[in-house]
This record gives sequence, C-alpha cells and structure tokens, in this order.
Amino acid sequence: EAQVTQNPRYLITVTGKKLTVTCSQNMNHEYMSWYRQDPGLGLRQIYYSMNVEVTDKGDVPEGYKVSRKEKRNFPLILESPSPNQTSLYFCASSHAGLTGETQYFGPGTRLLVL
Amino acid sequence: KQEVTQIPAALSVPEGENLVLNCSFTDSAIYNLQWFRQDPGKGLTSLLLIQSSQREQTSGRLNASLDKSSGRSTLYIAASQPGDSATYLCAAEAAGNKLTFGGGTRVLVKP
Repeated sequence: EAQVTQNPRYLITVTGKKLTVTCSQNMNHEYMSWYRQDPGLGLRQIYYSMNVEVTDKGDVPEGYKVSRKEKRNFPLILESPSPNQTSLYFCASSHAGLTGETQYFGPGTRLLVL
Repeated sequence: KQEVTQIPAALSVPEGENLVLNCSFTDSAIYNLQWFRQDPGKGLTSLLLIQSSQREQTSGRLNASLDKSSGRSTLYIAASQPGDSATYLCAAEAAGNKLTFGGGTRVLVKP
C-alpha cells in the first residue's frame, strides 16, 4: 500500500530537549516536504527536498533542520524546541516536476513543547 | 508571494443540500489547483487535482472548477451526506512542487 508514515504520532517534550520526527514514504518519490498546521494560520511549509542530498527552506524554517540521506526518508529535527513549535506537523511526498500528480500526506505528528 | 483564501471559513447545511466551497488565489502562475479533505486529528486526503490547462475535474459527487484568469476555484459537492462533514482545503501548486494552502472551510452536514 502506498503510504507516508510519520513517527511518533504524538509527542510531549520540554523546552530545549532535542527531538526528531521521522518521515518515510514507499512510493519512490523524489520530492518530500514538511508542513506545520496551526489554528488561524493554516498549513505552512517548513522545509522541502527535491531529491537525495537536496534540501531547501520553505516559508517557516527557523528552529528546524532536515536531512535527506536516503530517498525514502526525510526526518525533521528540532535541535532546541520551544513552546512556539507546539503544532501539528505533516510530511508529504510526490514525484518531482509532475504537475498532474497530487502530494501524499502522512497522518500527522502532534507536538506539545512545555 | 502566492496567497490562497477560502470563504466561508465554516458552513453548516442540512443533509441532501448541495455544497459550494470557494477558493481564490492571487498569482495565476500555477501548475495546478488541488482540493483536500481533512478529518479531525487526521491527515490530508486528496480529492481532486485540476491542472492549469483544465477547467474542471469530476469524481463521483464532487466537481471542481478552475478559472485561472480570475484566480478562482470552486468545489461542488452534490447531495451532501453527514459523512461529508470535514474540513476542505484548497492548495495552489507552483514551480518546485510548492503548495500554498488556503485556511480551509469547515463543513458540517446535519442529518
């Protein structure tokens, strides 16, 4: 089954404690992206990757890091989480450059930073 | 910078009524316009994708139109059912696979 998986689904942490949210897709997609969703602000792109070892900032990259060492995985790293990073996070993937194909979204990771 | 707006933010209709959801975007240089459904606490499910060269797409009771020149897309849901209750998001895709989302329309279909 074609899918995007994220782990963990729920996470409560404290300010400053480094964490990683994993994202994996099984569709051989080149493009992967991270979004955060906040009430009143909608979905905003954090980082994206067009292929292995190619990453770039989205609209709200501050406080986040990513890496793309393998095609299937695109982890999101919060080196020193702060309460304003409390949010619902989504990973997405698709084939790069194909205008007729939708993006597939993971189930989301709900993060609470105390 | 692309901005996507969805009006209304919330909509409540009795079962059986047709739904009309509106989406507007400021930059017409898009590759496609996508509609997603999001259930509470869940991820996004793709409903319809309209490429920039197309005027509409249909899937079952769903029909989406696109007017690039006026920067508008409309999602029609015929004969609404309680199971259609969800938040509907539109997103404009530009170069580099970049999606810009609207704020969503929260729909409640009352039995």
